[in-house]
Amino acid sequence: DTAVSQTPKYLVTQMGNDKSIKCEQNLGHDTMYWYKQDSKKFLKIMFSYNNKELIINETVPNRFSPKSPDKAHLNLHINSLELGDSAVYFCASFTGLRGYTFGSGTRLTVV
Amino acid sequence: GENVEQHPSTLSVQEGDSAVIKCTYSDSASNYFPWYKQELGKGPQLIIDIRSNVGEKKDQRIAVTLNKTAKHFSLHITETQPEDSAVYFCAARPGHGGSQGNLIFGKGTKLSVKP
Repeated sequence: DTAVSQTPKYLVTQMGNDKSIKCEQNLGHDTMYWYKQDSKKFLKIMFSYNNKELIINETVPNRFSPKSPDKAHLNLHINSLELGDSAVYFCASFTGLRGYTFGSGTRLTVV
Repeated sequence: GENVEQHPSTLSVQEGDSAVIKCTYSDSASNYFPWYKQELGKGPQLIIDIRSNVGEKKDQRIAVTLNKTAKHFSLHITETQPEDSAVYFCAARPGHGGSQGNLIFGKGTKLSVKP
């Protein structure tokens, strides 16, 4: 009974392609996030989404865009993939009572 | 904006010893300080957290202390076991502005517990 689930777990693709990573949470949380973890394990916020409104957008290239069809989903779309986009991407959801719950991650490799 | 520094980056201890990881933060308005454990191939898992109105919190072998004046907080693991080996992240959540709710993470500490 996974709380935050991401698909796919692994994604290998060529430069220039467009790809999506899906995220779903069954916790009823109001806010969802995308984090990027680089090769040095540093976790950096990319986006947060609250009630279908994007409230935070850090210094992320506009090739990245979050899409939230409903409160339980926050998908990440990436256009024109570059080598530097290779990383592990984590989806998370948030509630004031339990804090953050992270998904298991999607390892993206751009070749 | 908030900045979180975490030390050490690597820590090796003998099984049964204690381990301490320290973090400092810059935004005095930050009000929530969680600690996450990340095992290989998995996402970060919350292990303990503390809010700004509390100075210390303990859960079995794990404890966290917070010094608001000095703006630092620490994770203490006693009687370490090999299964405690993982990367540990501290984080702080700013308490105001558009970034409210947005966790800022430290750079992680790789803890190795030798049997």
